[in-house]
Amino acid sequence: DSGVTQTPKHLITATGQRVTLRCSPRSGDLSVYWYQQSLDQGLQFLIQYYNGEERAKGNILERFSAQQFPDLHSELNLSSLELGDSALYFCASSAAGQNTEAFFGQGTRLTVV
Amino acid sequence: GQQLNQSPQSMFIQEGEDVSMNCTSSSIFNTWLWYKQDPGEGPVLLIALYKAGELTSNGRLTAQFGITRKDSFLNISASIPSDVGIYFCAGQRPNIDMNYGGSQGNLIFGKGTKLSVKP
Repeated sequence: DSGVTQTPKHLITATGQRVTLRCSPRSGDLSVYWYQQSLDQGLQFLIQYYNGEERAKGNILERFSAQQFPDLHSELNLSSLELGDSALYFCASSAAGQNTEAFFGQGTRLTVV
Repeated sequence: GQQLNQSPQSMFIQEGEDVSMNCTSSSIFNTWLWYKQDPGEGPVLLIALYKAGELTSNGRLTAQFGITRKDSFLNISASIPSDVGIYFCAGQRPNIDMNYGGSQGNLIFGKGTKLSVKP
């Protein structure tokens, strides 16, 4: 158990809908990262938050947004969903913003139908 | 998005064999990490490397941070059936903002090496 908790584990929704994925980092970790894993794309970095502020942005679509709350949990919002958004979404956390190991949650499997 | 070149893409192992895989990049990295992912699970950290030339072991696993800072290697000795899975390398690049120093926090991942058991 990595200590990173993601909910829900599975999500099935229709195209055009909006969903929210939740992540609770390991106790004491200030950084949260979101990654998308599609079947043939590996792990793609979406966005990083450090202590409530956006720290780095990857290939995150404009339809996607995230935030980190004062209690350090994070939410990833995906809107106007398309079939191609079906993927595993992972959250990871680390103690600081750099030079530290990131620990992953078990992921949320999103299926858009 | 930016990714590391990880090879081989897949390999078959027989119990007891040694396994090697590597990651390369045209850019330098400050940190190299190796993860293993089982089906339906999140990646699990195996080894972390922080200095060029560093050689670190974790049981039967040994990883090295390349001298040029552009590559890393993972070796598994005397493989066992539970070694099957997908192995990912990941790296952190230096910060672009030299005033800040250190590394960019986000990890860049290779596409993975899938280890399977020989039929």
